[in-house]
Amino acid sequence: NAGVTQTPKFRVLKTGQSMTLLCAQDMNHEYMYWYRQDPGMGLRLIHYSVGEGTTAKGEVPDGYNVSRLKKQNFLLGLESAAPSQTSVYFCASRQGTGGGNNQPQHFGDGTRLSIL
Amino acid sequence: GDSVTQMEGPVTLSEEAFLTINCTYTATGYPSLFWYVQYPGEGLQLLLKATKADDKGSNKGFEATYRKETTSFHLEKGSVQVSDSAVYFCALSVNNAGNNRKLIWGLGTSLAVNP
Repeated sequence: NAGVTQTPKFRVLKTGQSMTLLCAQDMNHEYMYWYRQDPGMGLRLIHYSVGEGTTAKGEVPDGYNVSRLKKQNFLLGLESAAPSQTSVYFCASRQGTGGGNNQPQHFGDGTRLSIL
Repeated sequence: GDSVTQMEGPVTLSEEAFLTINCTYTATGYPSLFWYVQYPGEGLQLLLKATKADDKGSNKGFEATYRKETTSFHLEKGSVQVSDSAVYFCALSVNNAGNNRKLIWGLGTSLAVNP
């Protein structure tokens, strides 16, 4: 019963390096989300997807790209990492419109990313 | 615009004390309201929800009532345990044009329960 799985769990990068965070869900959910969590700022939405092949910008999209080539996977890319992107990143997924807005989001355990 | 305001933490209580974490919101339309909990080192998980006015959500001894007249969804528990130490997030979801179904999050309230 995996739910939402994020890889890797920890990563340290140097400024300017690139990397991709992977999110996989096995619940056949339509919607997927990437958040970052920083002290005192709660959760901020980076990008989201309402279905396979679609993506959209959230509150803080700059410096990140995403792709949803398969329904179960949602990738978050950092093209050129900056120290300001040091954060904990959470992926979440949710059922589609069938349940309206009452369906909860299901979260992974997070990726702790440090940019030196 | 739509927003959620939670009481600031940290909140520190002794075991078996009564807990209230305040949450108020502003929203157009008819939002659904949620409380999520984040235990140390983990992701967020749904604690309880309410989808219309006067609904009461409950789970694991926690309760919250959707109060439309005061635009509030305060979280309560009658007797907290050390294992309740976590960060609690209030969130709302409201129908948006353009099929944008994101949640609007409060900043979270950290709770520490001492034995």
